[in-house]
Amino acid sequence: AQSVTQPDIHITVSEGASLELRCNYSYGATPYLFWYVQSPGQGLQLLLKYFSGDTLVQGIKGFEAEFKRSQSSFNLRKPSVHWSDAAEYFCAVGAGGVTPLVFGKGTRLSVIA
Amino acid sequence: SQTIHQWPATLVQPVGSPLSLECTVEGTSNPNLYWYRQAAGRGLQLLFYSVGIGQISSEVPQNLSASRPQDRQFILSSKKLLLSDSGFYLCAWSVGVVGTEAFFGQGTRLTVV
Repeated sequence: AQSVTQPDIHITVSEGASLELRCNYSYGATPYLFWYVQSPGQGLQLLLKYFSGDTLVQGIKGFEAEFKRSQSSFNLRKPSVHWSDAAEYFCAVGAGGVTPLVFGKGTRLSVIA
Repeated sequence: SQTIHQWPATLVQPVGSPLSLECTVEGTSNPNLYWYRQAAGRGLQLLFYSVGIGQISSEVPQNLSASRPQDRQFILSSKKLLLSDSGFYLCAWSVGVVGTEAFFGQGTRLTVV
């Protein structure tokens, strides 16, 4: 079965600083990987996804993520954080087929001036 | 375009009362449908998913049940709510294979008092 670990529960960054959120997954084959963002009291919005091909994927809102098979990681990055990026971020892994997505516990991002 | 509707947005219910949360999807046919629960610090827990009318898979045995009476309608129910049922409930949909990207509703905040 798949599993996802997001090691950081809460991260605080200064506005304009770079950001990297960590995600490690466990799955025997090539996974489908996703990053979602959730604003307080809202549903989840898909930021980006990796299915195959180029291991560096671009998403919405200036985010990107890199799939590293050797490290079983799919870290999310943004070169310059804006105050509006403050939210909770979830990494998810899918195996395709009939197994639904499995989510990590999330990383809460705070942005300070 | 596809949209997902989930209601109510907030709900306060006494212990022992029944529950019915509804989710409908527009703009697509034969979607896969999901119910997740989100508790503070615990990420997203998959409760139920459905790949077709009348087909329900339960991931976690508990005080809740789900039904899919129509192709694009997914209902989460309980006969008697417990305090531990409090949380943020999210409905989601996907197409094709189940383990691919899912699109979320805005969620229902349930407080059992």
